Amino acid sequence: GEDVEQSLFLSVREGDSSVINCTYTDSSSTYLYWYKQEPGAGLQLLTYIFSNMDMKQDQRLTVLLNKKDKHLSLRIADTQTGDSAIYFCAESITGGGNKLTFGTGTQLKVEL
Amino acid sequence: SAVISQKPSRDICQRGTSLTIQCQVDSQVTMMFWYRQQPGQSLTLIATANQGSEATYESGFVIDKFPISRPNLTFSTLTVSNMSPEDSSIYLCSVEGVGQETQYFGPGTRLLVL
Repeated sequence: GEDVEQSLFLSVREGDSSVINCTYTDSSSTYLYWYKQEPGAGLQLLTYIFSNMDMKQDQRLTVLLNKKDKHLSLRIADTQTGDSAIYFCAESITGGGNKLTFGTGTQLKVEL
Repeated sequence: SAVISQKPSRDICQRGTSLTIQCQVDSQVTMMFWYRQQPGQSLTLIATANQGSEATYESGFVIDKFPISRPNLTFSTLTVSNMSPEDSSIYLCSVEGVGQETQYFGPGTRLLVL
């Protein structure tokens, strides 16, 4: 079955880079997503990557995909206090028109 | 991306009662979904809301407990029936984005059952 795992907690200093990791088991996943959830808020789509890509960059965000190892990572450059949130990776076999399977979530804490 | 609103944003309910949550989108969308996020947990898909037909439920979720309506392409409701404290969660609706590559979420409804 599908299983998406993340480390529970990450703490970084403001200005450093953050790297949040995710492993998944469904090799048929076509789209992989990163969502951000701030306290008391819904989910904000940050970025996503198609499975035939191995990297995608969007401003401070870099997504790396290692399909062979089923490993996805999100790098946030120059991490700010406003980046403190829970980050969820998610996978889908067919994209946004279908079920998303979410990871366990990583709580990022940015310290001054 | 679509603008999604949910009502109510939060509620405190007594056990044994039911609550209906509304999800409104500012544009017509084909696919709408309902997820549950239990305290401190990740999101789990409850069902896909199908326009003009019965919702498609995931394993572990049944229509009697979570009836869903989808009268048109911009609106859906989820009812949490005969509530117990275990139903205390955030309930989120989501819709597919243009091009069917993305999925966007509403702000969620925070439910506490006493």
